[in-house]
Amino acid sequence: AQSVTQLDSQVPVFEEAPVELRCNYSSSVSVYLFWYVQYPNQGLQLLLKYLSGSTLVKGINGFEAEFNKSQTSFHLRKPSVHISDTAEYFCAVSERTGRRALTFGSGTRLQVQP
Amino acid sequence: SAVISQKPSRDICQRGTSLTIQCQVDSQVTMMFWYRQQPGQSLTLIATANQGSEATYESGFVIDKFPISRPNLTFSTLTVSNMSPEDSSIYLCSAVSGRAMPDEQFFGPGTRLTVL
Repeated sequence: AQSVTQLDSQVPVFEEAPVELRCNYSSSVSVYLFWYVQYPNQGLQLLLKYLSGSTLVKGINGFEAEFNKSQTSFHLRKPSVHISDTAEYFCAVSERTGRRALTFGSGTRLQVQP
Repeated sequence: SAVISQKPSRDICQRGTSLTIQCQVDSQVTMMFWYRQQPGQSLTLIATANQGSEATYESGFVIDKFPISRPNLTFSTLTVSNMSPEDSSIYLCSAVSGRAMPDEQFFGPGTRLTVL
C-alpha cells in the first residue's frame, strides 16, 4: 500500500515569487510519481510525472519537481508564479506494476496574490 | 492522449434515489477507474472498472451502493444508489491508455452531485 502526504494545505504567495509545494510518500513497492493541478471548477490536469532516470522532472506551465529517493519526497517548484497558477495541486503515486490506480495526497491550495 | 467525457456534468438529487453516471473515452483503454472527491477534499479511489466482469472495490466501498458496469473498452457507468446527503461529491472517471508510456492516467471533467 502507498500513502502520500502533502505537508501544506494552503500556500499563499505573491505574484512573481518562487514557490515550493511539498510532497512525501511511502510505499512498499516501486512507484511512479505525479503532480496534478485542478483549476476551480475544472477537472484534473497532469503537470508532470517521474518515471525513472533524471531526478529533476520538468512539466507544463514552468513547473518542475525533484525526486529524492532517500527522503521519499517529490517536491514541486516554480521559480516565478502567476495569478493564473492559483489552483489546487495534488501529488499522487501509482504502483509500477499491477493495477496502476492513483493514491492522492490531500492537496495544496496555491493562492497567488498580486 | 485520451479524451474522457462524463454525463451528466452535474445533478441535484433527492435522498433515497439513484443516479447513473456515464463515462466515455474516445479510444480504447486498458484500465478505467472511478474516484470520489468530497467537498474540499482529495480524491479517493472507489473501484477499478473491469471490462466484462465485476468491478474491484476499495475498502469502504461496496457493489450494492456503487454498482459499476464496463461493457466494452471505452465505456463505463457508476451508479450511486439510495443516495444520502453524504454522497454529495464530485465523481471522476479516469482511464489508463495502453499506448501511453508508462500508462498515463487521464481524467474526465467530473460529475458534481448534490443530494438534498
